[in-house]
Amino acid sequence: DTAVSQTPKYLVTQMGNDKSIKCEQNLGHDTMYWYKQDSKKFLKIMFSYNNKELIINETVPNRFSPKSPDKAHLNLHINSLELGDSAVYFCASSQSGPSSRANVLTFGAGSRLTVL
Amino acid sequence: KQEVTQIPAALSVPEGENLVLNCSFTDSAIYNLQWFRQDPGKGLTSLLLIQSSQREQTSGRLNASLDKSSGRSTLYIAASQPGDSATYLCAVPGGGSNYKLTFGKGTLLTVNP
Repeated sequence: DTAVSQTPKYLVTQMGNDKSIKCEQNLGHDTMYWYKQDSKKFLKIMFSYNNKELIINETVPNRFSPKSPDKAHLNLHINSLELGDSAVYFCASSQSGPSSRANVLTFGAGSRLTVL
Repeated sequence: KQEVTQIPAALSVPEGENLVLNCSFTDSAIYNLQWFRQDPGKGLTSLLLIQSSQREQTSGRLNASLDKSSGRSTLYIAASQPGDSATYLCAVPGGGSNYKLTFGKGTLLTVNP
């Protein structure tokens, strides 16, 4: 029944490894997002896909690569993990439409990544 | 560039008290403003969405106001309860795309029984 689900919820890994976080939404939304919340609790957008097309790509290292196989899924793959990548990564979705409603987001519970 | 500031950063109140959380934003050309709640270890829950044409929005004990011209919003919580303890964030679209939300750092609210 979960609207936006992310896996895994917790991920502990060594520097230099490659890892992926998966996200799925069952709301029928056409837009999905990845946000990063750092240790200072600051929440910043990383990527957004609308109908499987990349529409927002913030200044993020190219070690981060999002992939959207369909409208309901947006995965985040991270290569060569660094200590600074430790954070909570949130997936979200919304339905595009009138500008006034386009950014009513539904968030997942987050994936806490710890890089040792 | 849109910047969002929330004051105070933390607030501790006794149960039953009415309280106000503040949010200010630098670019007033927004379509709407949202208030979210974040519980520890969990995602964000949207509480209220105010359209730019509205001045306030109410949901239960929560009332959010928006003064777009001055770049301010307040979240009023009436008769606070321990279950209201959480981090409250406000967010506005901006930064070149209506799909991009800019968040404040949040106000950590603790309601003591």
